[in-house]
Amino acid sequence: LAKTTQPISMDSYEGQEVNITCSHNNIATNDYITWYQQFPSQGPRFIIQGYKTKVTNEVASLFIPADRKSSTLSLPRVSLSDTAVYYCLVGPSDSNYQLIWGAGTKLIIKP
Amino acid sequence: DTEVTQTPKHLVMGMTNKKSLKCEQHMGHRAMYWYKQKAKKPPELMFVYSYEKLSINESVPSRFSPECPNSSLLNLHLHALQPEDSALYLCASSQWEGGYNEQFFGPGTRLTVL
Repeated sequence: LAKTTQPISMDSYEGQEVNITCSHNNIATNDYITWYQQFPSQGPRFIIQGYKTKVTNEVASLFIPADRKSSTLSLPRVSLSDTAVYYCLVGPSDSNYQLIWGAGTKLIIKP
Repeated sequence: DTEVTQTPKHLVMGMTNKKSLKCEQHMGHRAMYWYKQKAKKPPELMFVYSYEKLSINESVPSRFSPECPNSSLLNLHLHALQPEDSALYLCASSQWEGGYNEQFFGPGTRLTVL
């Protein structure tokens, strides 16, 4: 199973770009990389997903190098409301049995 | 409607009580999930239902009993719980089972076992 490692916490300031990196050294060929955001006392919310190279949507970008042993979630121009826990997940497309959640990164945005 | 609803929002129960958590989605999703989340930890998968059939049971104690009455509803029946079972219980759904599919989470039920 592909274990993931991400920083426990990060601080940044409003208007900055924030990059959170997740390591998944033994990722399998059929594993996808997914990121979720969670606010206190709420369920997680999907942010972005990718398999390789770069994926961008209206809220974030996901960078995955060729060896796929890590991935970086990029949040452009963060605001105070981006303060949350961000989880990196790695798992196969066809089953949740091997879907591994990272420990989460607590991101604190300061004014 | 992209919402997963859960009731109740909060639940306090004694170790001898029987209670149920309920979850509902109307997105036509065929996979539904129960997770348990302790403070400052990631969600832990408990059960997965795919097409209303139990697909995954992550070695959960029998005091937790899931039920999927139809494709929109998911219940979690609780009996003889222990104080260490106190946690946030999250329900989620996705189009189909699998890590490729975005999961939509409900707000959770905060359970306290006395």
